[in-house]
Amino acid sequence: DADVTQTPRNRITKTGKRIMLECSQTKGHDRMYWYRQDPGLGLRLIYYSFDVKDINKGEISDGYSVSRQAQAKFSLSLESAIPNQTALYFCATSARRPETQYFGPGTRLLVL
Amino acid sequence: KQEVTQIPAALSVPEGENLVLNCSFTDSAIYNLQWFRQDPGKGLTSLLLIQSSQREQTSGRLNASLDKSSGRSTLYIAASQPGDSATYLCAVQGGSEKLVFGKGTKLTVNP
Repeated sequence: DADVTQTPRNRITKTGKRIMLECSQTKGHDRMYWYRQDPGLGLRLIYYSFDVKDINKGEISDGYSVSRQAQAKFSLSLESAIPNQTALYFCATSARRPETQYFGPGTRLLVL
Repeated sequence: KQEVTQIPAALSVPEGENLVLNCSFTDSAIYNLQWFRQDPGKGLTSLLLIQSSQREQTSGRLNASLDKSSGRSTLYIAASQPGDSATYLCAVQGGSEKLVFGKGTKLTVNP
């Protein structure tokens, strides 16, 4: 089984809809991250969490919210989706001591 | 604000060739530098991590170097193979412990 899983893998939604992307990890890491990837713009950090009670905004948090339900689960919500939120979304985890991040397979989101 | 640049954006080489991918960053106060590989439609896989106190790291046919003072890193791939075809991403981690990514180099190795 994969260490970092994301659901759904693909999602099509309409403008104005609320949508939640979920991430689970079995690596026992404290730190979790949400990124979005757009062609020509690379990966950009949306939110990150260093433990269950610690949530921080990243580079592009407007229009997004997150919930850290447990050490292993970190969800990203789009309260009212808009077309420019169409992107590939990645969840990642890392251990307490700064080291490499482990990425999930991504969720491809299309907002019509 | 840290900025990471990767050159070239795309590279096509024949199988067996040795190649170098370049990464530069604007703020030399980094914790470490990491190289990732991304296959189409998939997540990122960590290849090499170089701590700020190190000059290079090697894994198989891959060798990454770091010159922190000049803000540069290179990823050297020896004897390239078609299976090496992917996008290679460089990322730096600073005091905030967040990763800042370059936009990647798309590598195609032709049989």
